[in-house]
Amino acid sequence: GAVVSQHPSRVICKSGTSVKIECRSLDFQATTMFWYRQFPKKSLMLMATSNEGSKATYEQGVEKDKFLINHASLTLSTLTVTSAHPEDSSFYICSARFREETQYFGPGTRLLVL
Amino acid sequence: AQSVAQPEDQVNVAEGNPLTVKCTYSVSGNPYLFWYVQYPNRGLQFLLKYITGDNLVKGSYGFEAEFNKSQTSFHLKKPSALVSDSALYFCAVRDMGNTGKLIFGQGTTLQVKP
Repeated sequence: GAVVSQHPSRVICKSGTSVKIECRSLDFQATTMFWYRQFPKKSLMLMATSNEGSKATYEQGVEKDKFLINHASLTLSTLTVTSAHPEDSSFYICSARFREETQYFGPGTRLLVL
Repeated sequence: AQSVAQPEDQVNVAEGNPLTVKCTYSVSGNPYLFWYVQYPNRGLQFLLKYITGDNLVKGSYGFEAEFNKSQTSFHLKKPSALVSDSALYFCAVRDMGNTGKLIFGQGTTLQVKP
């Protein structure tokens, strides 16, 4: 199947700093990638849809200026959590859509803000 | 509005017994349906999908799912459960809008006991 990677897998940062998470489709090109946030034992919450070469589409209630998304190439999308606070601590997962049908997910990034 | 429901928070089965994880959906038009599995602290792994064709879909790791249009269901099944199948399972339907985002059920924890 199609492979999606995320980096880093785990990050700990101080409150007020910014953190960048990378999502890469390794063996296919993805014009559309998605960013999710997942709370413990809960379903995924879609944060935004990332489109290559254009602005991301954010879901209602997600702060655009806080969660910056860049999709500069067909294989890379980045999520930057700006001025992170403890309440931003979560498991962030990206996915990339393959052949307009199936989304393949990255392994996730565990963010802990102290 | 499109939605997916997984009525069981947890399903418990004995190893070697058949398992079923339930999913019902509500969409306008023909649904694109997916099952994913998530192991602890990992991303989602694609199991199978229904787009069109045979109502019985076979996927990874011996799983299968049956699309039932009249009952608007897409239950996940496996003839003989393994302890290693213990994980969190998500059913999803593709939003038929332009972004093609997935709408997830709340997830079902499958516990297979030896």
